[in-house]
Amino acid sequence: AQSVTQPDIHITVSEGASLELRCNYSYGATPYLFWYVQSPGQGLQLLLKYFSGDTLVQGIKGFEAEFKRSQSSFNLRKPSVHWSDAAEYFCAVGAGGYQKVTFGTGTKLQVIP
Amino acid sequence: EAQVTQNPRYLITVTGKKLTVTCSQNMNHEYMSWYRQDPGLGLRQIYYSMNVEVTDKGDVPEGYKVSRKEKRNFPLILESPSPNQTSLYFCASSLEKGPQHFGDGTRLSIL
Repeated sequence: AQSVTQPDIHITVSEGASLELRCNYSYGATPYLFWYVQSPGQGLQLLLKYFSGDTLVQGIKGFEAEFKRSQSSFNLRKPSVHWSDAAEYFCAVGAGGYQKVTFGTGTKLQVIP
Repeated sequence: EAQVTQNPRYLITVTGKKLTVTCSQNMNHEYMSWYRQDPGLGLRQIYYSMNVEVTDKGDVPEGYKVSRKEKRNFPLILESPSPNQTSLYFCASSLEKGPQHFGDGTRLSIL
């Protein structure tokens, strides 16, 4: 069975600073990997996904993530954080044909001026 | 506009009274799924469906039922709700792997 660990429950960054949110997964084969953002005004939104190919994936809102098989990681990055990025972020791993998806417990991002 | 619509948005009910949360999507997506969200636990998948009449269990299916008789609809049924099913529920749909479009959520309180 697959699993996901997001080791940081809460992260605070200054506006304009860079961001990296950590995600580690456990799955025997090549996983499908996702990042989602949940904010009060926008609901749940898919940021980016990795299925295969290029291990550096670009998403919406200026986010990117890198799949590192050797480290079983799929960390989310953004070079310069905006106040509107304050939200909760979820990493998820998919298995099998499609739809068995397991989410991490989330990382809450606070952005300070 | 691409939409996943859940109803009701809020519901307070009592133990044992059967309820259905509806989910409808207007994107002709084959894949639909249900999740519950609880503080500190993230989202947990309840059931998923790969097409009409094709459904399978997620990580926490106990106490829930689903059906997929039409492509656009994927209702979640709680036949005998209990207080431990008090939660925030999300329906999602997608064209490919992984949930893509989410509904706005249904907050259920079971007393």
